[in-house]
This record gives sequence, C-alpha cells and structure tokens, in this order.
Amino acid sequence: IAGITQAPTSQILAAGRRMTLRCTQDMRHNAMYWYRQDLGLGLRLIHYSNTAGTTGKGEVPDGYSVSRANTDDFPLTLASAVPSQTSVYFCASTPRQGDTEAFFGQGTRLTVV
Amino acid sequence: GENVEQHPSTLSVQEGDSAVIKCTYSDSASNYFPWYKQELGKGPQLIIDIRSNVGEKKDQRIAVTLNKTAKHFSLHITETQPEDSAVYFCAASPLFSNSGYALNFGKGTSLLVTP
Repeated sequence: IAGITQAPTSQILAAGRRMTLRCTQDMRHNAMYWYRQDLGLGLRLIHYSNTAGTTGKGEVPDGYSVSRANTDDFPLTLASAVPSQTSVYFCASTPRQGDTEAFFGQGTRLTVV
Repeated sequence: GENVEQHPSTLSVQEGDSAVIKCTYSDSASNYFPWYKQELGKGPQLIIDIRSNVGEKKDQRIAVTLNKTAKHFSLHITETQPEDSAVYFCAASPLFSNSGYALNFGKGTSLLVTP
C-alpha cells in the first residue's frame, strides 16, 4: 500500500540520549516535512525538504536535525534529547511545493524522561 | 510569516446539527486553504481544500467558504454524525515562502458529536 511510514510508533527515551525517527514514503513525492504536535499548540513545522539533497528550518528547529539523501527517506535526529521534546512527531510529504495535499504518517509518540 | 488562528478550540453538537469552524490568516499571499481531520491515534487526513480563485466548495456534507478580502475561511459540516467526532485543523499555504511552501496550521478544533 502506497503511503508514508514512520518508525518507531512510540519510544521512551532517557534525557541526553540520541534518537533518530525514521520516515519513508513510496509515492515519489518531492517535498517532505517534520511536524511536532503538542496539546493546545497544534502542528508546528520542525524541518522541511523541498527535494532530495536540500533541507530547511521550520518554526521550531532547535535541537533537531534532518537529512535528505534520497527521495524516499527523511530521518529526524535528536542529538541530545530533553524533556521538552516529549511530543507526537508527524512526517508528511507533498508531490511538490505549494498547493497540494499533504500525506501524513501515523506519528511517533516520543517521551523523554 | 503566516499566522493562522482557529476558533473554537472545542465544539460539541448534537447529532444531526451543523458545525462551523472558523479560521483567519495573516499573509495575503496565501492561496491554498486545506482542512484536515485527525482521528485519535492517527495522522491528519485531508477532507477538503479551497484555492484563492474560488469562494466556496462543497463535498457532500462538508463545505468550505473563503473570504479573501477579510482573510478568513470556514468549514461547515451539516447533518453531523458521531463519526465526525475528531480534531479538525485548518491550514494556509502562501504562494511564495522561505519555508518551502509548508502548510501553516491552526491550533485545531476538537469536535464532539453526541447521539
């Protein structure tokens, strides 16, 4: 089934540890995004990539890094996790930039203790 | 950058009644306004969208209206059913943006439809 897959589904992580959230899509979409969802704050953009080989910072990039080595994969790395990074993380993709439907993964629930 | 405000944050209606969710945006360059529905434990899914050259769009029980002059757009759900219960997000996307055209989301509306 075509779509966007995130892993893991959930994770409990000790503060100070490094963690990579995985995101893979098989729709050959050019653009990919990472959002975090927190109660009362909605969806906030962390990082984005318009095409393979390029990335950019969103609204809340501090403490996170991304890479886009190929079209399909867009991993999000927390270099040294802190409790404020406890959140639900969503990866999304769009066929191109601009006015197109975004497809979301099922989310990764991360708890930093 | 774009700022999207969404109201109300929670909405409770009786089954069969209508529900209306309103959003305003700040960037006059925005030209794409989608609405997403998020069910518990799942990622958001597009339910309807509208572009700036259209004032209203309908799809069965849902409709979206856009007022570009006032910079606001609304989601209307008629004949609500319990399965409409979910969190709804509005979003706006500018034509040109330094953030790669990523969607700017409102904070969401939790809709509860009671039988």
